[in-house]
This record gives sequence, C-alpha cells and structure tokens, in this order.
Amino acid sequence: EDKVVQSPLSLVVHEGDTVTLNCSYEVTNFRSLLWYKQEKKAPTFLFMLTSSGIEKKSGRLSSILDKKELFSILNITATQTGDSAIYLCAVDKLIFGTGTRLQVFP
Amino acid sequence: DTEVTQTPKHLVMGMTNKKSLKCEQHMGHRAMYWYKQKAKKPPELMFVYSYEKLSINESVPSRFSPECPNSSLLNLHLHALQPEDSALYLCASSHLTREQYFGPGTRLTVT
Repeated sequence: EDKVVQSPLSLVVHEGDTVTLNCSYEVTNFRSLLWYKQEKKAPTFLFMLTSSGIEKKSGRLSSILDKKELFSILNITATQTGDSAIYLCAVDKLIFGTGTRLQVFP
Repeated sequence: DTEVTQTPKHLVMGMTNKKSLKCEQHMGHRAMYWYKQKAKKPPELMFVYSYEKLSINESVPSRFSPECPNSSLLNLHLHALQPEDSALYLCASSHLTREQYFGPGTRLTVT
C-alpha cells in the first residue's frame, strides 16, 4: 500500500530558529513530490521536486529530494511567526502525508 | 488568472437533500481534483478528471457524484449524505505534470 509519512507531527520553535521537516514515502510509481503550506484554508504550493539532489529554494525555504532513500526535507531558516502553519507533502498530487504542525513563537 | 474558485463557501444540508458543489478555473489546466479534508487531517483524494474524463475514483460512495461539463468546470453532486460526510471539500487543478492550485474549499455540514 502506498504511504507518505511526515515527521515530526508537531514542532514548536522560537523566531529565528531553523527547522527541518521530513517526508518519507513508499509508492509504486513515483513521479513527483510536492510541499504545501496550509494555514486556515486551502493548501498553498511551495515546491515540486522530481529529481534527486537538486535543491529548490525560495527565500528562507528550501527543499531537496532523495529518490534513493525515498525522502524529502523542507528547511526553513530564520523562522518567523508567519511561518506557523501545517506543512504537507504529497506524492504525485494524490497521496498526502499527515502533515507537520509548526508553531513559531516570538 | 491563477485562481480556482469554489461555491458555495459554506453549505448546511439535511440527509435527504440534494445539493451541488461547484469549482471553476481559467488557467487552461486539464486535470481537476476533488479532495475531502476532515479537521486536523490531511486532504484525502476523492476524484481526478483528466481532459474532462474521470481517471481516478478512490472508492468514493455513490452518494458523491462528480461531473466535469467542460475543461473549466468541475461539480460534485451530493445526495443522501451522512453526518460523517461533514468536512472541507477542496477542489484543485493543474497541468498534468505541474503543481496544483487549490480553491478555498466548501465547508459542508450535514445535519
């Protein structure tokens, strides 16, 4: 059975800290892994990864995929209170992980 | 226009009612999706349409009936729902090999 697992489930940090969120997967036909941020409503797209070892970066956020070890990480540096959200990874837009709830306190 | 719109934003319906959720996009995306999201849970895929044809049905009960009348519109017809069907229903669209854009969702309550 295909599955996507995220860790940790919950993370509480102070502003300025750096966090690393993990997403591991076991799927039969992998094509892409996507990261989303979800606050009150719909998920908003962050990154789409298809190739191993190529870092995608947007401001303080970055992500990388390891297709050999079947995982991806999302890094957020110099966290801000506005980063507080649930971060979801999804494989092939079809299977979502359980999410990591990040809370950033001032 | 990079927006997916969904109507209504909120819907309360009885178990004998028939209602429909609507989703629209004008980004030229040929894949459209319905997800169900319960509180504190990730979205669960329900249906995928590719080129207006149903390509994935994740064993969804027949009281949920999707329809894709054209490449911009996606409907979800609801009939004889149960209280446990109460959830946020999210629509999304994408080019086939690119990221999805999500609509704001319809919060459905079944009484």
